[in-house]
Parts: sequence; structure tokens; C-alpha cells
Amino acid sequence: EAGVAQSPRYKIIEKRQSVAFWCNPISGHATLYWYQQILGQGPKLLIQFQNNGVVDDSQLPKDRFSAERLKGVDSTLKIQPAKLEDSAVYLCASSLGRGYYEQYFGPGTRLTVT
Amino acid sequence: AQKVTQAQTEISVVEKEDVTLDCVYETRDTTYYLFWYKQPPSGELVFLIRRNSFDEQNEISGRYSWNFQKSTSSFNFTITASQVVDSAVYFCALKVAGNQFYFGTGTSLTVIP
Repeated sequence: EAGVAQSPRYKIIEKRQSVAFWCNPISGHATLYWYQQILGQGPKLLIQFQNNGVVDDSQLPKDRFSAERLKGVDSTLKIQPAKLEDSAVYLCASSLGRGYYEQYFGPGTRLTVT
Repeated sequence: AQKVTQAQTEISVVEKEDVTLDCVYETRDTTYYLFWYKQPPSGELVFLIRRNSFDEQNEISGRYSWNFQKSTSSFNFTITASQVVDSAVYFCALKVAGNQFYFGTGTSLTVIP
């Protein structure tokens, strides 16, 4: 079974530029999560989708971050414009949903904002 | 407020020693779930175990065991006879109602051969 795929793996941008990350969850997983992991910290949940609907985005900085999951499969997380403090690893995870909360994580995208 | 505390930032043990990673959580919810994840140097988090708040039975899986005690709000993880491959950062996580997940800051375990 294929795992969670993410791209790109690394990205370096200047502050005020835009960036987008892509995630393809495990086939059949209804729930998709985006996390931000700053160096030395635990993952912080940004947004959670159930199929193509947003379940929770209370910690998403909506003035600069946006995410979508069209058709309930792939998802894209965008940052516009980026700030220095956005430097982190962005993790995508998926779970079956329907009471199954075990999350399976992708390799992450390491973002450096200069 | 919900919170997960992993007070041990870094632990080093010699191979074959036993090691316990501590996790203390805070929540007012009566229904919640606790998890442990392993993040090896490659970076990808790997799910290890899930426990719900109504199941305090301890669990053993090979060299891994978990001790869940609601009375002390703890969900500790023990590795018996540690191996070099156990070297990683281990995260404890809490899921509460409203679909929020909270991760601790992680414990970095180094197993010295």
C-alpha cells in the first residue's frame, strides 16, 4: 500500500513570496491533516479535512495560509505571503476517519524562508 | 485547556538497557484518545499505538509496552532491551472532542551501541 505522498521535499523562498505544498493521502482515507512542525517542537495541527470539507481550521493563520482538498483526495496548502517565522516542516497526514484516528504521515516539506 | 507534556527532552541509554518515556496530559474531556508516534532521523512520523480514555489496560507489543493511568493523567512508554534502531524522537499526542490533536514537544532517545 502506498503511503502519504508530499511534494516538494524542500523549498527555499524569500519572505513575501508565495509557496504551495501538495499532498496525496493513502487511498481510501477520508480524513486529511496539515501540520506545521517548527524545529525542536511537536507538530501543530493547522487544518483538518473530512473528505472535501473542513472539519477544523482554528489554528490556521487565515490571513496568509489557505488550504483546499478538491474532490476529497489530494490537498494543497498555500502560504501567501511567507514570513520568516513560517520556516518549518509541513507535514501531511491521513486517517481512515469514521472513528479511526490513527494518522499516517508523509515525509514532509521542509520550508526555509530567507 | 488541553496540553501534552513530555518533560524529558533528551535521553541516552546504552544498548540493551530499558528506558521509559514519560507523557502527562491535561484535558477536561471525558472521552479522549492518546497516541505515541516515533520520528526516526529520516523524519517521517510512524504511528505506534492508540488508547482511548475508557481503556486503561496496559499493552505490550514485543519490546514496547505502554502504561496508561488516568489517576495521574499519564501514558508512559517503555522500551525493553533497547536497540540502536530505537534511536528517534518520540511524540505523545492527545485527541479530544472537536477533532483537535495536541502533540507534546517530543523526547529524543539515543541508544548507544
